[in-house]
Amino acid sequence: GQNIDQPTEMTATEGAIVQINCTYQTSGFNGLFWYQQHAGEAPTFLSYNVLDGLEEKGRFSSFLSRSKGYSYLLLKELQMKDSASYLCAVIDSNYQLIWGAGTKLIIKP
Amino acid sequence: ETGVTQTPRHLVMGMTNKKSLKCEQHLGHNAMYWYKQSAKKPLELMFVYSLEERVENNSVPSRFSPECPNSSHLFLHLHTLQPEDSALYLCASSQERSELAGGREQFFGPGTRLTVL
Repeated sequence: GQNIDQPTEMTATEGAIVQINCTYQTSGFNGLFWYQQHAGEAPTFLSYNVLDGLEEKGRFSSFLSRSKGYSYLLLKELQMKDSASYLCAVIDSNYQLIWGAGTKLIIKP
Repeated sequence: ETGVTQTPRHLVMGMTNKKSLKCEQHLGHNAMYWYKQSAKKPLELMFVYSLEERVENNSVPSRFSPECPNSSHLFLHLHTLQPEDSALYLCASSQERSELAGGREQFFGPGTRLTVL
């Protein structure tokens, strides 16, 4: 079967760095998305990786290793507004998006 | 208005009621999606429409009935629901379904929080 694993919840301190991991087992791979979802709001796009390596976008970076079926989202200089759920999703060989359950990130002052 | 809008934002209904959820996208996209989001569970894809034709139905119970009258509007008709259908229902759109593989993301609406009593 197809599976995406993420930690359920993480806690970090304002100003610090946090890494949210995502491992996947899917039938084929055509890319991986990270979305951010604040409570009661729509998920919004953060990043897309299809090749191995690190993609940096301001305070957020996303890493992919296709051979390991692994990705992480790195958030630097954490701000209180970064408290949200972070969703990992993989596109399989049928162009279907397979979603993880999301990681709830709690930022403490 | 821009982006993807959904109405109503909140809905409480009894198991014998009939209601409809509405989604509208102002992005000129050709693909639209219905998702169910339950607490601590992955997003569940319910229906996909591409150019107003349903291309995917992930074995959703018949008490959920989608309708896509044009590329900008998507409805989800609900009847005789069960309490376990209580969840957040998200609508999304993308330029083309196949372009997801090129990194073209989906744009989501804010969702309808549905409670079935």
